[in-house]
Amino acid sequence: DAKTTQPNSMESNEEEPVHLPCNHSTISGTDYIHWYRQLPSQGPEYVIHGLTSNVNNRMASLAIAEDRKSSTLILHRATLRDAAVYYCILSTDKLIFGTGTRLQVFP
Amino acid sequence: DARVTQTPRHKVTEMGQEVTMRCQPILGHNTVFWYRQTMMQGLELLAYFRNRAPLDDSGMPKDRFSAEMPDATLATLKIQPSEPRDSAVYFCASGLAWPNEQFFGPGTRLTVL
Repeated sequence: DAKTTQPNSMESNEEEPVHLPCNHSTISGTDYIHWYRQLPSQGPEYVIHGLTSNVNNRMASLAIAEDRKSSTLILHRATLRDAAVYYCILSTDKLIFGTGTRLQVFP
Repeated sequence: DARVTQTPRHKVTEMGQEVTMRCQPILGHNTVFWYRQTMMQGLELLAYFRNRAPLDDSGMPKDRFSAEMPDATLATLKIQPSEPRDSAVYFCASGLAWPNEQFFGPGTRLTVL
């Protein structure tokens, strides 16, 4: 499975937008880009996924570079509840989690 | 509100004992996944099933771990014999056909003394 590179940690203030980057230079044509997050003491939670086009849902937006070698998860207005570890995952049929980005949100 | 359920939520056992963890996937989901999470290794995929058939268990130590789906409403992960290094949180997840989202259960926290 192709690998992803994410910053270990990021910080944001409440109600500000957050852009979480992910590099995946070895992505293949059939790899989907998935984002999951894990809140403290909980199981992972689906956020969004996409293949080639940008995607929006009620939780976030996913911006995918034209060459697909990077993507950005956008939280439009961070809340304290968004503090979690965010995982960017590539795969064709299963999820292989990396170390993710720990997002801290300050009031 | 459909959810994946896992039992037990917590389990403390002694080395050498058999441990069985159970998962009830969301009704209608045809794929089931087992993961293990530790501080050192993070989240690891152990095994997954599609339509009750095992598709990939390459992440699972074969000598002591076994995963089964006796029916569509129950998945089990068994460790026999358990060892202290098996201490971890074990998550079950279910979903529909790829690449749809996986829904994770609350996990079973296993401590092997």
